[in-house]
Amino acid sequence: ETGVTQSPTHLIKTRGQQVTLRCSSQSGHNTVSWYQQALGQGPQFIFQYYREEENGRGNFPPRFSGLQFPNYSSELNVNALELDDSALYLCASSLNPAGETQYFGPGTRLLVL
Amino acid sequence: LAKTTQPISMDSYEGQEVNITCSHNNIATNDYITWYQQFPSQGPRFIIQGYKTKVTNEVASLFIPADRKSSTLSLPRVSLSDTAVYYCLVGDAFNDYKLSFGAGTTVTVRA
Repeated sequence: ETGVTQSPTHLIKTRGQQVTLRCSSQSGHNTVSWYQQALGQGPQFIFQYYREEENGRGNFPPRFSGLQFPNYSSELNVNALELDDSALYLCASSLNPAGETQYFGPGTRLLVL
Repeated sequence: LAKTTQPISMDSYEGQEVNITCSHNNIATNDYITWYQQFPSQGPRFIIQGYKTKVTNEVASLFIPADRKSSTLSLPRVSLSDTAVYYCLVGDAFNDYKLSFGAGTTVTVRA
């Protein structure tokens, strides 16, 4: 059974640029959630995708957007990057949207200069 | 979503039992209590989940009093590899999938 994988592991961008982060869910999981974790803080929920549709969103602006593909892998896109977007971005997959344990990937460390 | 309060940090020594208490005074009837562990530069890992009384698995025990306004994660005989951040989450397991984590408790285990 393959766990949750994310790419790239690290990324450096400059303010105003756009970034795309990728996540492959665990085999058999149809739900992917994305989290932002700033240094020294707990992960904050960005949004969740279930069967290719957005299924809930946290308190993040529209420049944070996502996609889920038929194989349930997912992308997180961030436009017009700001310095405060520097963080660890975590992807988690689960069997269903709620009531199930989430399995997290190792994350992508984004640095915005 | 119920607000949770945990100690910021705890120190322990190898072989000791570590107990982390989480306060959640406004827990709702449908809320479950879930604990995650996170090592540096890794994603959180599910440890244990419970609703009331006591839950035990191969890693930890979770004690929940009758009023459910707090819960205690118990890690038996910790080792250096248990040094991590531990998060307590409280929410409706079937609806509150939009859970965000608090700051957690940093547990440091020393030799």
